[in-house]
Amino acid sequence: EDQVTQSPEALRLQEGESSSLNCSYTVSGLRGLFWYRQDPGKGPEFLFTLYSAGEEKEKERLKATLTKKESFLHITAPKPEDSATYLCAAPMLSGYALNFGKGTSLLVTP
Amino acid sequence: SAVISQKPSRDICQRGTSLTIQCQVDSQVTMMFWYRQQPGQSLTLIATANQGSEATYESGFVIDKFPISRPNLTFSTLTVSNMSPEDSSIYLCSVYDDTHRGEAFFGQGTRLTVV
Repeated sequence: EDQVTQSPEALRLQEGESSSLNCSYTVSGLRGLFWYRQDPGKGPEFLFTLYSAGEEKEKERLKATLTKKESFLHITAPKPEDSATYLCAAPMLSGYALNFGKGTSLLVTP
Repeated sequence: SAVISQKPSRDICQRGTSLTIQCQVDSQVTMMFWYRQQPGQSLTLIATANQGSEATYESGFVIDKFPISRPNLTFSTLTVSNMSPEDSSIYLCSVYDDTHRGEAFFGQGTRLTVV
């Protein structure tokens, strides 16, 4: 069964303290690994899609990387406004709908 | 990127009643999906909304409980029928944007509370 597993479940950082979130997957024939940000009471906001091992994408303080078994979301010098839940997902075998991990809840304190 | 408008944004409903959620996209998209996010949980796919044909439901979700319509390539509705408190969740519409391959977008969600 295809699975997407995220760790840690929760992470608390001081402002400026860099860290990484992990997403491991067991998906046959990966057709993309998706990262989203979700703020409370809102729908997920698209961040990145990665397709092949070694691929990297960046957006402001976020950088996503992909290996054959996992993806990392690196957060460099985070700010309080980066506080959110970060979700990782992979397409289901049946099509383009996504199978989501449980997310990492990030809190960045001043 | 596709812009998705979802209505209502929240509602409080009596058990045994039904609620229809609307999803409007600002461009034609081939694939539309409905997800549920239960309190403190991640997203679970309810069904794929197929234009002009019956929706494709995931295991654990049935058409009688969650009827879906998709009359065209920009609009879909999800009805939550005969509601119980266990249906209290956030319901989310999503599209796979053909013009931005590899990007899937979400509406802002409908927060449903059943009392």
